[in-house]
Amino acid sequence: SAVISQKPSRDICQRGTSLTIQCQVDSQVTMMFWYRQQPGQSLTLIATANQGSEATYESGFVIDKFPISRPNLTFSTLTVSNMSPEDSSIYLCSVEDQGTGTQYFGPGTRLTVL
Amino acid sequence: SQKIEQNSEALNIQEGKTATLTCNYTNYSPAYLQWYRQDPGRGPVFLLLIRENEKEKRKERLKVTFDTTLKQSLFHITASQPADSATYLCALDGSSGYSTLTFGKGTMLLVSP
Repeated sequence: SAVISQKPSRDICQRGTSLTIQCQVDSQVTMMFWYRQQPGQSLTLIATANQGSEATYESGFVIDKFPISRPNLTFSTLTVSNMSPEDSSIYLCSVEDQGTGTQYFGPGTRLTVL
Repeated sequence: SQKIEQNSEALNIQEGKTATLTCNYTNYSPAYLQWYRQDPGRGPVFLLLIRENEKEKRKERLKVTFDTTLKQSLFHITASQPADSATYLCALDGSSGYSTLTFGKGTMLLVSP
């Protein structure tokens, strides 16, 4: 199994600013995923990030709002840009257990936008 | 688009009883279905995966069934313990690709001593 860490674990930000969330994995993985979990809601996939290529965004999410970097096989960042209170959520990264379809999740980043 | 339904009301049971959680889905024929556990302030943790050609799968006190005709999965925890209290999420392989997952909202299970 993979061990995933995220930074920061939580943050409180002002409207209009941006926050970059880091995700570190203890092993090399091909696919990394970024999710959003709004209060009382399920996880919603934001994008899939493969090393060496542009991230693939799900419907309703755009690169200008959620730019993603994937510089190597163990690391990725998600930036939440020009934040508004509606962006208040938990953001989670995950990796696929190669070939099994299951995913390992990080602990999440709790973001509050004032 | 695919839709996943899990009972939004919390399930309260007594320690030692069997907990049964339901996951229904529409507008999709998943290749597999997964169950995850999520504790407050934590990311989901994988529990079990069942494929479309499997009827049942077990792991220790956990059992999952998968009925592709009814488009339903049942998740059972036998001899439940207070430590089993958590939110349980059902997930299907996503329509965006084999590796992506679509999650239900989850059902909270509360096991009282």
